[in-house]
Amino acid sequence: GNSVTQMEGPVTLSEEAFLTINCTYTATGYPSLFWYVQYPGEGLQLLLKATKADDKGSNKGFEATYRKETTSFHLEKGSVQVSDSAVYFCALLHVVYSGAGSYQLTFGKGTKLSVIP
Amino acid sequence: DAGITQSPRHKVTETGTPVTLRCHQTENHRYMYWYRQDPGHGLRLIHYSYGVKDTDKGEVSDGYSVSRSKTEDFLLTLESATSSQTSVYFCAISERVGTATDGYTFGSGTRLTVV
Repeated sequence: GNSVTQMEGPVTLSEEAFLTINCTYTATGYPSLFWYVQYPGEGLQLLLKATKADDKGSNKGFEATYRKETTSFHLEKGSVQVSDSAVYFCALLHVVYSGAGSYQLTFGKGTKLSVIP
Repeated sequence: DAGITQSPRHKVTETGTPVTLRCHQTENHRYMYWYRQDPGHGLRLIHYSYGVKDTDKGEVSDGYSVSRSKTEDFLLTLESATSSQTSVYFCAISERVGTATDGYTFGSGTRLTVV
């Protein structure tokens, strides 16, 4: 089946530190991959995405590269800020062949990031 | 925001009572989803809809039912609330054709407490 595994948190970093949040996946076919971010008290927001192997998604200084050979989509940022404190979710998008042909997102469990000044 | 609202934002209810959560969208998207978010579990799909009156179960559907009588509204009902259903519930929408790879847009969530 389809599944996503993220590194467990919480992760605490000092401002301007380098961030890596690991994400690996199991899927049939070639799913699209996403990172979502959830700020305290809010819903999830799309951070970045990649739709095929070797694609690099980027947004707000965050990057992730779709690695088919290692089935990974690690999130990185060169210099984190206090405002990056949030929960980050890795997810894969796959087709559900239930007669509806709908797309569904399967999420990892989330990694909480705290950035201290 | 993409025009998706959830109501209520917060609710406290007693065990055994029925509860209905509402998701309303103004984007005319075909697909709508209900997820619950719990510590240590991430987001888990409860039910989803692929059109008016077309719904299907997700991985944690027991104790929940849904209805979609209009494109814009997707209702989640807990027929008889239990303490294990205390959670934060998120609605999401998506469109397939031309945007199949865009993932979802999420509502702000409903925090439900069952006492």
